Amino acid sequence: DAGVTQSPTHLIKTRGQQVTLRCSPKSGHDTVSWYQQALGQGPQFIFQYYEEEERQRGNFPDRFSGHQFPNYSSELNVNALLLGDSALYLCASSRGGGMNTEAFFGQGTRLTVV
Amino acid sequence: GDSVTQMEGPVTLSEEAFLTINCTYTATGYPSLFWYVQYPGEGLQLLLKATKADDKGSNKGFEATYRKETTSFHLEKGSVQVSDSAVYFCALSPINYNQGGKLIFGQGTELSVKP
Repeated sequence: DAGVTQSPTHLIKTRGQQVTLRCSPKSGHDTVSWYQQALGQGPQFIFQYYEEEERQRGNFPDRFSGHQFPNYSSELNVNALLLGDSALYLCASSRGGGMNTEAFFGQGTRLTVV
Repeated sequence: GDSVTQMEGPVTLSEEAFLTINCTYTATGYPSLFWYVQYPGEGLQLLLKATKADDKGSNKGFEATYRKETTSFHLEKGSVQVSDSAVYFCALSPINYNQGGKLIFGQGTELSVKP
């Protein structure tokens, strides 16, 4: 079992550009959540996808959007990048909407905006 | 809204010392509580959890008890090792189904264990 895999592991983007991050959930998992972890801080919830729909969303602007595919993999898109978007982006997968099930995290994508 | 507060780090201990990392929370009802650990360069790993009041979660010598009366979930270990050096995060998951599965994290506490 490969666990939760994220790609790419690192990337550098210029302010104003757009970026797409990818996540493949753990085998058997159908729910994907995305978190932003700024340096020295705890992860902040961005949104959760279940049954190909955004089920709940944290306090992030509309520049942050996502998608879940029929195979349960997911993408996080960020438009009009700001310097403050530089962070580690974590994907977590779980089952059945995430209620009362363990969330497994990927190793994250380190995004640097210059 | 729901929130988690952890003691600030870094915490530096000698090997075999006793560890306590304080965590308190604010939430409606009885959320599930978790401790996650993040080793350098890695993602988060679940260390232990508790889903109802007075439950004790334990794993790898670490333990934490869900205290509803003090809204706390302090992490303890009787004898730390150098390999325990990492960042520890306390987190909660709201009980409301519409927020189920969402994790709210504290700011993290860095632990450094010296030989």
